[in-house]
Amino acid sequence: EVQLQESGPGLVKPSQSLSLTCSVTGYSITSNYWGWIRKFPGNKMEWMGYISYSGSTSYNPSLKSRISITRDTSKNQFFLQLNSVTTEDTATYYCARCGYGSYYFDYWGQGVMVTVSS
Amino acid sequence: DVQMTQSPSYLAASPGESVSISCKASKSISTYLAWYQEKPGKANKLLIYSGSTLQSGTPSRFSGSGSGTDFTLTIRSLEPEDFTVYYCQHYNEYPPTFGAGTKLELK
Repeated sequence: EVQLQESGPGLVKPSQSLSLTCSVTGYSITSNYWGWIRKFPGNKMEWMGYISYSGSTSYNPSLKSRISITRDTSKNQFFLQLNSVTTEDTATYYCARCGYGSYYFDYWGQGVMVTVSS
Repeated sequence: DVQMTQSPSYLAASPGESVSISCKASKSISTYLAWYQEKPGKANKLLIYSGSTLQSGTPSRFSGSGSGTDFTLTIRSLEPEDFTVYYCQHYNEYPPTFGAGTKLELK
């Protein structure tokens, strides 16, 4: 069974970087696309970006200058880094797998709440 | 970006009833639309993709319809476990965007 689990600090200070890990079991991240999505207080959801089976990336233009998604295939993990965070980045962050050959999300992690506050 | 307008935001119904949730795109997205179910403490569940294709494991009381800009998620004969939050998402172009969600509550 495909399972995803987000991990990382729950509190980040403004202007610092937010770093999260998505650990995947039951499926190789060298297949499919893998994404990060966040849900803000108030429930608006935002797609942040993808990393492909080959390691190429695509980011939401609204975040392009601040975001980086990378991976470690030996650990079957992929990572999110969001720089220069503000309180507006307070959200629940999810990692997810894209359906084969497509860009909807067929498996999700449970999400990790990240608060940006001094 | 394609804006996804989901309605209603809240919907009250009783077990056994049928309900429909609408999702309208600001431009044509063909049938590149997915529906998700969200429950507290659980991973989001993909219900439907390509507008009307049920994901494996989705009960047959769920159905999706539509193409272009107008889409509908219908749940027939509501079960107690269906009372939760639903989201639509387009994936026709970058960036994919989500609807604002519909909370289905017990009447």
